[in-house]
Amino acid sequence: ETGVTQSPTHLIKTRGQQVTLRCSSQSGHNTVSWYQQALGQGPQFIFQYYREEENGRGNFPPRFSGLQFPNYSSELNVNALELDDSALYLCASSRVFYNEQFFGPGTRLTVL
Amino acid sequence: QKEVEQDPGPLSVPEGAIVSLNCTYSNSAFQYFMWYRQYSRKGPELLMYTYSSGNKEDGRFTAQVDKSSKYISLFIRDSQPSDSATYLCAMSAEGGADGLTFGKGTHLIIQP
Repeated sequence: ETGVTQSPTHLIKTRGQQVTLRCSSQSGHNTVSWYQQALGQGPQFIFQYYREEENGRGNFPPRFSGLQFPNYSSELNVNALELDDSALYLCASSRVFYNEQFFGPGTRLTVL
Repeated sequence: QKEVEQDPGPLSVPEGAIVSLNCTYSNSAFQYFMWYRQYSRKGPELLMYTYSSGNKEDGRFTAQVDKSSKYISLFIRDSQPSDSATYLCAMSAEGGADGLTFGKGTHLIIQP
């Protein structure tokens, strides 16, 4: 059984740019959630996708957007990057949208 | 006051000791409680998952939930140097559309 994978591993952007992060869910999982983890903090919920629809959203501005595809993989898009967007971005998948969530290795984003 | 409070440590104990990690929370809607282990610059790994109050044991790990006190614990028996990591508590309400709410994490060091 393949676990959750994310790409890229690292990337560096400059303020004002746009970025797309990708996630492949674990086999058999239909729900994907995205989290932002700043250094020394716990992950913060961004949003969740279930059957290609946004199912819930945390306290993040609209410049954070996402997609889920028919194969349940997902993208996180961030527009107009700010310095505070520098963080580890984590994707988690689950079988039903409130069950145990399994995390990928994360994408480390640095905004200069 | 944050929804989930967790002492960030560091907590340093000798190898073989019993470790006790704790979180308190304020939202009485939380029904699902999880513990994750996170090694430096990696994604969180699910250790324990419990629903409502009670105890759950898995190998050297025991999770306890006391909903009346809004207090959860993770005990690690026969601690090993490989247990050195950051331990994150997480919880969610019924339905799960608000995602997981995490504590800041406790940095645990097991001294050989």
